[in-house]
Amino acid sequence: EAGVVQSPRYKIIEKKQPVAFWCNPISGHNTLYWYRQNLGQGPELLIRYENEEAVDDSQLPKDRFSAERLKGVDSTLKIQPAELGDSAVYLCASSSETVNTEAFFGQGTRLTVV
Amino acid sequence: AQSVTQLGSHVSVSEGALVLLRCNYSSSVPPYLFWYVQYPNQGLQLLLKYTTGATLVKGINGFEAEFKKSETSFHLTKPSAHMSDAAEYFCAVITAGNKLTFGGGTRVLVKP
Repeated sequence: EAGVVQSPRYKIIEKKQPVAFWCNPISGHNTLYWYRQNLGQGPELLIRYENEEAVDDSQLPKDRFSAERLKGVDSTLKIQPAELGDSAVYLCASSSETVNTEAFFGQGTRLTVV
Repeated sequence: AQSVTQLGSHVSVSEGALVLLRCNYSSSVPPYLFWYVQYPNQGLQLLLKYTTGATLVKGINGFEAEFKKSETSFHLTKPSAHMSDAAEYFCAVITAGNKLTFGGGTRVLVKP
């Protein structure tokens, strides 16, 4: 069974440009997370979906970040415009419908804003 | 509110020595606890988890962790370090509402 798939793996953009990340969760997983991981730090939650509903987006900088999960499967995270401080690894994870189970992570997208 | 604190951002051990990584959590409800490992340029991989039942949990690669409610701790250990254990380790807690929160991580260096 395929794991969580993210693309692209790496992205370099100039500041003020837009960027988008894509995530395909494990089949059947209803919960999807987007995390941001700065260098040398633990992942920080940006947004969590239960099916197609964003149930926790309190940490998402809504002035420049947006996310969607159409049909409750794939998800896209967008930044527009990007700032230098957005350079980080963006991790997607998914978990099953059962409450309080472990999350399975993709390999992440490393974003560098120059 | 829930939080996770990992004591020591870096740990250096000799090959064959004990690995001990410390994790303390705060939670207003019984927590579910996890340890994840992250190798360079990789995502996070689950090492082990505590949900209910036995407080000593065994995971992959010879790691184990013990849930101590009185100390609000979930320390990770491995009796004998191997060079392949060099990685970053994250403790995480999940409580009501399926929200997964991570500690800051501990980077393990294994010396030959």
